[in-house]
Order: sequence, then structure tokens, then C-alpha cells
Amino acid sequence: NAGVMQNPRHLVRRRGQEARLRCSPMKGHSHVYWYRQLPEEGLKFMVYLQKENIIDESGMPKERFSAEFPKEGPSILRIQQVVRGDSAAYFCASSTSRGRAEQYFGPGTRLTVT
Amino acid sequence: SQQGEEDPQALSIQEGENATMNCSYKTSINNLQWYRQNSGRGLVHLILIRSNEREKHSGRLRVTLDTSKKSSSLLITASRAADTASYFCATDGDRGSTLGRLYFGRGTQLTVWP
Repeated sequence: NAGVMQNPRHLVRRRGQEARLRCSPMKGHSHVYWYRQLPEEGLKFMVYLQKENIIDESGMPKERFSAEFPKEGPSILRIQQVVRGDSAAYFCASSTSRGRAEQYFGPGTRLTVT
Repeated sequence: SQQGEEDPQALSIQEGENATMNCSYKTSINNLQWYRQNSGRGLVHLILIRSNEREKHSGRLRVTLDTSKKSSSLLITASRAADTASYFCATDGDRGSTLGRLYFGRGTQLTVWP
């Protein structure tokens, strides 16, 4: 059973470009969470999705950021018009059910905005 | 903030010694999870303890939970150099909040010297 997969592992974008981060949850998991980690800090929740539904996006900036988890295919975190402050590690996690279940994390995508 | 806070921020010990890390949080919880993160890598799930549990073991790991004090501890016995990593506790919300999102502290950086 493959773990949570994220790609790309590293992404470099110039200011103003778009970044698309992908996450494939573990087999059998229908709940996906995105977190952001700045250097020397813990993870900060961004968004929680189920298939075709956004359950909680309260941690995601209202502008430039969007997330989806389509019926088929991976979950996508999209950052438009990136700025230097978006440079961080973005982690995706998945679980079998809502709450009361372990979240398993992917290896992360390290975004660098130059 | 519901964020968990780990203590100490950094811990340096010799191989064979025990390492104890503490976590305090602010609201009631359904469960608390401990994760480990090697430098520049993703998070590895270590153990989940539910609010009605007081102690849990997994190999060399022992986790306790005191809901009256809103605190948890992670004990690693007979530490090894390979245990060197950052350790995070993560709490879910209380019943009034959306289940699913996790709140992370800044972590304890553990260094085990050979």
C-alpha cells in the first residue's frame, strides 16, 4: 500500500507565476488535508477536502490560493501569482475518516519563489 | 489558539538515555497525535492517543495524556542516534470545531549523540 504521494518534491517559481502542487492520498483514504510549514515552525492547517467537496478552508488565504479534490485524480493546491512569502514546504495528509483517525503525511513539496 | 506547544524546544542526549518531550494544549480534544520529522522530510505518524486513554505504548515509545492538565508526554526509551529528529504533537479540535484539522506546535528538536 503506497503512502501519500506528492509531486513535485521541489518546485521553483518566479514571482507572479503559478504553482500547482499535487497530492494522491493513500489507497482507501477519502479525506485530504493540506498544511504549510515555514522554516523552524510547526505545520499550519490550510484546507480539508473530501472528494469533490471542500470541508474546511479556514486556514487558506482568501486570495490567490485554491484547492480541489476531484472525483478522479489527485488533490491539487494551486497558488496563483506567487510571492516570496509563499516559499515554504507544503504537506498533504490523508485519513480514512473525519476526525478520530490518524493522518498520514506525504513527503511534501518545497516551493521556492525567486 | 488551540495550538499545541512542545517543551523543551531542543533536547540533546547520549545514546542509551531516555528522552522525554512534553506537549501542552489549550482546549478540550478528541485525540492527540505525535509525529516525527527528519530534517527536510515529511512527517511520520508515531502514535495516536484518544481523550479517554491515559497511556499508550508502541515499541520504545510511551505516550501519556492528562486531559485535566491538558498535557501529554512522549518518552523514547534507550534512544539511538537514528532517533534524532523533530517531534511534534498535534491536537484535533474540540467538539465545537470542525473535526479533521490538526493543530501543531513548533516541535522539540531531539539530538541523540552516539
